[in-house]
Amino acid sequence: DAGVIQSPRHEVTEMGQEVTLRCKPISGHNSLFWYRQTMMRGLELLIYFNNNVPIDDSGMPEDRFSAKMPNASFSTLKIQPSEPRDSAVYFCASSLGTSGTSSGANVLTFGAGSRLTVL
Amino acid sequence: AQKITQTQPGMFVQEKEAVTLDCTYDTSDPSYGLFWYKQPSSGEMIFLIYQGSYDQQNATEGRYSLNFQKARKSANLVISASQLGDSAMYFCAMRERNAGNMLTFGGGTRLMVKP
Repeated sequence: DAGVIQSPRHEVTEMGQEVTLRCKPISGHNSLFWYRQTMMRGLELLIYFNNNVPIDDSGMPEDRFSAKMPNASFSTLKIQPSEPRDSAVYFCASSLGTSGTSSGANVLTFGAGSRLTVL
Repeated sequence: AQKITQTQPGMFVQEKEAVTLDCTYDTSDPSYGLFWYKQPSSGEMIFLIYQGSYDQQNATEGRYSLNFQKARKSANLVISASQLGDSAMYFCAMRERNAGNMLTFGGGTRLMVKP
């Protein structure tokens, strides 16, 4: 299995530009998560999907951020317009399991991350 | 209130010695899972070990073991026979049944293994 695949790995853009981050989860996983990691705030959950449906987007910072999952094998996180404070590493993760915590099958597998720098 | 607390921002350990990384958690959900991840300098998040709240025995995975003390709400990671490659950030995380599939992370502990 190729694991969770994220692109781009690195993105440098100017303030005001649109940024789109992409994620391909592990085949067969039905939960997908977007996390953001910064030195100041650590790892924050932005949004997660279950069976392609957004379940909790309370972590999305503001309306400039949007996420979609049009099918089971693809998700995007879009920032429009981008700002310097959006600079961070954005991780996508996927897992089996939709409920319960009694099984290690609920382990999240992370992608390599997309490092975003907004100038 | 913090759900996951890791009180050690950084730690040193001598190569080949054992080290314990602390993690305490806060939940009222009787069903939850606890996870440890490793993040080396290359940046990827690597799953290490899992403990379910109903598991009777402490989890072990090779050189990693989890010292689970349910009454104290602690889930410390023990790494035996430290290696230079263990130098990394270590994150404790929790998943609560009533919070869906969300994984909440602690602030992390940076472990540095000295040769």
